[in-house]
Amino acid sequence: GAVVSQHPSWVICKSGTSVKIECRSLDFQATTMFWYRQFPKQSLMLMATSNEGSKATYEQGVEKDKFLINHASLTLSTLTVTSAHPEDSSFYICSARGGGDSYEQYFGPGTRLTVT
Amino acid sequence: GQNIDQPTEMTATEGAIVQINCTYQTSGFNGLFWYQQHAGEAPTFLSYNVLDGLEEKGRFSSFLSRSKGYSYLLLKELQMKDSASYLCAGMDSNYQLIWGAGTKLIIKP
Repeated sequence: GAVVSQHPSWVICKSGTSVKIECRSLDFQATTMFWYRQFPKQSLMLMATSNEGSKATYEQGVEKDKFLINHASLTLSTLTVTSAHPEDSSFYICSARGGGDSYEQYFGPGTRLTVT
Repeated sequence: GQNIDQPTEMTATEGAIVQINCTYQTSGFNGLFWYQQHAGEAPTFLSYNVLDGLEEKGRFSSFLSRSKGYSYLLLKELQMKDSASYLCAGMDSNYQLIWGAGTKLIIKP
């Protein structure tokens, strides 16, 4: 089956610094990638949708200048949390969709970010 | 607006059967997904229904009624490892997933 990896699995950073999270589709080309955030005991919240080679589409309320998304290739998307604050601490999950007739989203294992 | 409703929490006994219901309202409809999510982990795909009826896959089955905007996930022969959150998601006309808040399923011995 389709495999999506994320790196790092967890990261602790100091307030004010930036953190980059990578999402890779290992055995398929992901025409569309999604970035989600999940707070404890809450459901997934879609942050943005990115298509390879074009700018990401951000959901309402998500600051695009704070959460920088780059989808430079069909197998890699990155999310950079800039000037992180403690309230950005969360579980960040990416998913990828291969396109064609399949609309299933394959999820990465997630990245737990803690900002101190 | 778009909305997915599912119960917050359910409890069932090991070896029993449990049905998790989901009602949806989406702008257009391109199918209904069920995902399983264990605590601290990412969701994993369980099922996809786009036509009315029951889809069976081992111990898990998923049902869809498009006219009623209703789906359920049926889990048989419950095992302790089935304790997890079960997420219902509807796909709208833009092929975006609209997520429910998830149903936390607690399995008791």
